[in-house]
Amino acid sequence: AQTVTQSQPEMSVQEAETVTLSCTYDTSESDYYLFWYKQPPSRQMILVIRQEAYKQQNATENRFSVNFQKAAKSFSLKISDSQLGDAAMYFCAYRSPPGYALNFGKGTSLLVTP
Amino acid sequence: DSGVTQTPKHLITATGQRVTLRCSPRSGDLSVYWYQQSLDQGLQFLIQYYNGEERAKGNILERFSAQQFPDLHSELNLSSLELGDSALYFCASSVAGGPNTDTQYFGPGTRLTVL
Repeated sequence: AQTVTQSQPEMSVQEAETVTLSCTYDTSESDYYLFWYKQPPSRQMILVIRQEAYKQQNATENRFSVNFQKAAKSFSLKISDSQLGDAAMYFCAYRSPPGYALNFGKGTSLLVTP
Repeated sequence: DSGVTQTPKHLITATGQRVTLRCSPRSGDLSVYWYQQSLDQGLQFLIQYYNGEERAKGNILERFSAQQFPDLHSELNLSSLELGDSALYFCASSVAGGPNTDTQYFGPGTRLTVL
């Protein structure tokens, strides 16, 4: 079974600074997808960024970027120029056959201080 | 707004009861996923439907069942409810539910409280 591990239950960052959230996963598959979802206090699950395992280039979405290390099975999220609105729970997720459901890590709670 | 709707937003019921949660996927999406988020278990996949057919099962209890109707909306039925079933239940939808770049978009969730 695939497992996703987020080793940082909580992280804190000052506004305008950069923070990196860690995620590792375990799989024997060669083709899969990785995601970061954000869950603000409203509880809505919002997709932040997506990475296809066959792509060597790291995904980037505005202030959000990933460091994908396939051999190390590592998928970290970097948030640049942190804003107060970035405060949320961040979940790393892995997606693979047969049904392509998401396997989630336990989440990292990000606090952004002024 | 993801385009996925879930009703009701909140549900309070008693142990032993049965409830039905409803989900309408985004327009054009054929696949629906149900997830449960609880303090104990985190976010867990329950079941997936694709175009009316069950495609995959996760950690879904036998007391729980789901279906997807011809108009593609889905219902999750929870019966003989226990205190431990209190959780946030999410529905997500995607275009195909297959191996391609197929992103799942989540609804706002239904908060179930079992007293």
